[in-house]
Amino acid sequence: DAGVIQSPRHEVTEMGQEVTLRCKPISGHDYLFWYRQTMMRGLELLIYFNNNVPIDDSGMPEDRFSAKMPNASFSTLKIQPSEPRDSAVYFCASSADGTGGETQYFGPGTRLLVL
Amino acid sequence: AQKITQTQPGMFVQEKEAVTLDCTYDTSDQSYGLFWYKQPSSGEMIFLIYQGSYDEQNATEGRYSLNFQKARKSANLVISASQLGDSAMYFCAMRERETSGSRLTFGEGTQLTVNP
Repeated sequence: DAGVIQSPRHEVTEMGQEVTLRCKPISGHDYLFWYRQTMMRGLELLIYFNNNVPIDDSGMPEDRFSAKMPNASFSTLKIQPSEPRDSAVYFCASSADGTGGETQYFGPGTRLLVL
Repeated sequence: AQKITQTQPGMFVQEKEAVTLDCTYDTSDQSYGLFWYKQPSSGEMIFLIYQGSYDEQNATEGRYSLNFQKARKSANLVISASQLGDSAMYFCAMRERETSGSRLTFGEGTQLTVNP
């Protein structure tokens, strides 16, 4: 079975450019999460969706960040305009439901470098 | 206050020995879940083990077990018979269903090094 798929795996861009990160969750999973990992702040949740609807976006740093989930098999995280402090590893994760084990399975991550 | 505390930034263990990675948590929820993830140097986050707050028995998954002490609010990960491939960063995480819905809160991690 395919796990969570993220693209691109690496992204290098210049300050001010738009960056779009993509995620395909595990088929049948109802929840999708976007995390950011940095040395300074560790792993932090940016936003999560349930059945394609954003439930909690309190972790989104500012208006430059936006996330969408147009259907059950695809989500994007967009940064516009990007800044050097956005450099981080961005993970997408999905889980089957909100009860029981509710284990979140992570994608391989996108390493973003903003110059 | 920190929700998840991992007090060991780094740990060393000899191959084939057991090692315990500490995790304490803080929550007022009655229903919550505790997770451990492994992050090797390649960067991916690998789920290891889960413990529900109402589970009466400690969770086990192969060489991994979770020493759950509810009254002490601790959820330590025990790795038996360490292997060189166990060298990685290990994260403890918690889901508080009542307070935070499906959000996971992570600790700062423990870097484990297995020596040959």
